[in-house]
Amino acid sequence: ILNVEQSPQSLHVQEGDSTNFTCSFPSSNFYALHWYRWETAKSPEALFVMTLNGDEKKKGRISATLNTKEGYSYLYIKGSQPEDSATYLCAFLSPRYNNNDMRFGAGTRLTVKP
Amino acid sequence: DGGITQSPKYLFRKEGQNVTLSCEQNLNHDAMYWYRQDPGQGLRLIYYSQIVNDFQKGDIAEGYSVSREKKESFPLTVTSAQKNPTAFYLCASRWANSNQPQHFGDGTRLSIL
Repeated sequence: ILNVEQSPQSLHVQEGDSTNFTCSFPSSNFYALHWYRWETAKSPEALFVMTLNGDEKKKGRISATLNTKEGYSYLYIKGSQPEDSATYLCAFLSPRYNNNDMRFGAGTRLTVKP
Repeated sequence: DGGITQSPKYLFRKEGQNVTLSCEQNLNHDAMYWYRQDPGQGLRLIYYSQIVNDFQKGDIAEGYSVSREKKESFPLTVTSAQKNPTAFYLCASRWANSNQPQHFGDGTRLSIL
């Protein structure tokens, strides 16, 4: 079993706070890491696709970094807003089965209070 | 519009019955996946397929079966051997052999009567 771990499990912040979460994955046999945002009553949607060690991606107030050598990725949200409330999932894509083996972490559930 | 359709949205099963969850995509994706979510937990991989007539077991395949007779369809059967089938089931698809992300359906919630 490929272990993908996310922390914290849940997070409550005030509007305007900045926050960050962690995704840990096996540092060997890395192919790609994805971040997804999953809002209640909706389907998960992709935020970032990260492939290279040292990658930094940004979309508005959300950014992510990648360290493949030590096996972790951080997701940052600057100036959290209530609409950022969602579960944030990371998914590890390994070279197994022609780069199609994808495993998810348990997610970080973010609640932003107005 | 291109997308993934899962049906039904809610499904009830009597103990001892097999049920089949439908997943259809018109995105022309090669790879398709089934995940299970339990309360307070993340997505656990049941089965996945990169091409027609080929599929691989995920971490929790026991009690489930799949088929991939057509590129656009990847139905999941929850058999009577699955002792705790009550859960939320998500289907996803993506371009195989790439680093591209998954597209998800809206899910099916299965409950035991």
